[in-house]
Amino acid sequence: KNQVEQSPQSLIILEGKNCTLQCNYTVSPFSNLRWYKQDTGRGPVSLTIMTFSENTKSNGRYTATLDADTKQSSLHITASQLSDSASYICVVSGGYQKVTFGIGTKLQVIP
Amino acid sequence: DTAVSQTPKYLVTQMGNDKSIKCEQNLGHDTMYWYKQDSKKFLKIMFSYNNKELIINETVPNRFSPKSPDKAHLNLHINSLELGDSAVYFCASSLGRSGEAFFGQGTRLTVV
Repeated sequence: KNQVEQSPQSLIILEGKNCTLQCNYTVSPFSNLRWYKQDTGRGPVSLTIMTFSENTKSNGRYTATLDADTKQSSLHITASQLSDSASYICVVSGGYQKVTFGIGTKLQVIP
Repeated sequence: DTAVSQTPKYLVTQMGNDKSIKCEQNLGHDTMYWYKQDSKKFLKIMFSYNNKELIINETVPNRFSPKSPDKAHLNLHINSLELGDSAVYFCASSLGRSGEAFFGQGTRLTVV
């Protein structure tokens, strides 16, 4: 069964600190992995996308890594800001139209 | 300019009613989707529509039906609404099936 598991489920950090979110997946075959940011009451917005051959991708203060051998990905947020408070969702695509969403990590950045 | 827009944003209706949610995208994308996000925040794909090819998630009840009058629109019709249909429904679009999906703001459906 294709699954995407994220940890932690929730996280509270101080503004300015770094944090790392984890994503483990069992999706096979594998096409790509995306990280989305979903603000409360809004639709998800794509942060990064990585294919099998890519092991790191950056988007500003967001850096995603991918280990396709161990089927693990992480999203590192540097120098967090209050606006980073959101849910971060790991999405793995595999095969034809097979898209599996993780439940997300709810991040709260406090002053 | 709104890229993917859904209407209405909120919808409260009684069990047994039939309702529709509209979705429009002005990105020139050729693929559109409907997703359901339940109370546990799980996002699940319901349908994807590309060049008149409809792919349905087999777990979606046949009370749900997408209607695409043209490439820029994919509406969601729901018949005989049930309490368990309460959720946030997101429309999305992409260029090709593997392109980045752009999501609408969501429609919060509450069935009472």
